[in-house]
Amino acid sequence: NAGVMQNPRHLVRRRGQEARLRCSPMKGHSHVYWYRQLPEEGLKFMVYLQKENIIDESGMPKERFSAEFPKEGPSILRIQQVVRGDSAAYFCASSSDSSRELFFGEGSRLTVL
Amino acid sequence: AQSVTQLGSHVSVSEGALVLLRCNYSSSVPPYLFWYVQYPNQGLQLLLKYTTGATLVKGINGFEAEFKKSETSFHLTKPSAHMSDAAEYFCAVSEWRSGGGADGLTFGKGTHLIIQP
Repeated sequence: NAGVMQNPRHLVRRRGQEARLRCSPMKGHSHVYWYRQLPEEGLKFMVYLQKENIIDESGMPKERFSAEFPKEGPSILRIQQVVRGDSAAYFCASSSDSSRELFFGEGSRLTVL
Repeated sequence: AQSVTQLGSHVSVSEGALVLLRCNYSSSVPPYLFWYVQYPNQGLQLLLKYTTGATLVKGINGFEAEFKKSETSFHLTKPSAHMSDAAEYFCAVSEWRSGGGADGLTFGKGTHLIIQP
């Protein structure tokens, strides 16, 4: 049973470009969460999604950031017009309807030049 | 709103010594509590969790934690440190969302555990 799969593991972008990070939850999980980890800091909640619905996006920056979890396919975190401050590790986690336990992916490390 | 405070961003212990990583939380409802470990350039791995029932929880790799409601604490311990325990440790709290599904987790800032040979 595959775990949470994130890709790419590493992504380099220049300022102003777009970054797309993908997350496939564990089989049978319908809840997806995105977190951002900055150096020397903990993980900060960004957004919580279920299939085709954004449940809580209170941690998402108001501009340039968006997330989706379509009926088919992986969840995508999209960052438009990246800036150096967007450089971080982005972690996806998933859970089932009945469990509070979150299972994390290996993360996608974004570097903005 | 829930929050987590981890005392000490860095903790250094000698190999074979007791490991104690502190975590205090605040929550408006009975919480679920978690400890995760993160090795360099990897994701988070669940060490242990408290949901309900027994307040002393045993996890993987010889770690355990005790939920103390009166102290709002969930400290992580291990009797004897190994070199392989060197990693970043995160305490987290969760409140169940009324509509179902986990509320996500609120994390502490992490404690970097250093093991001295």
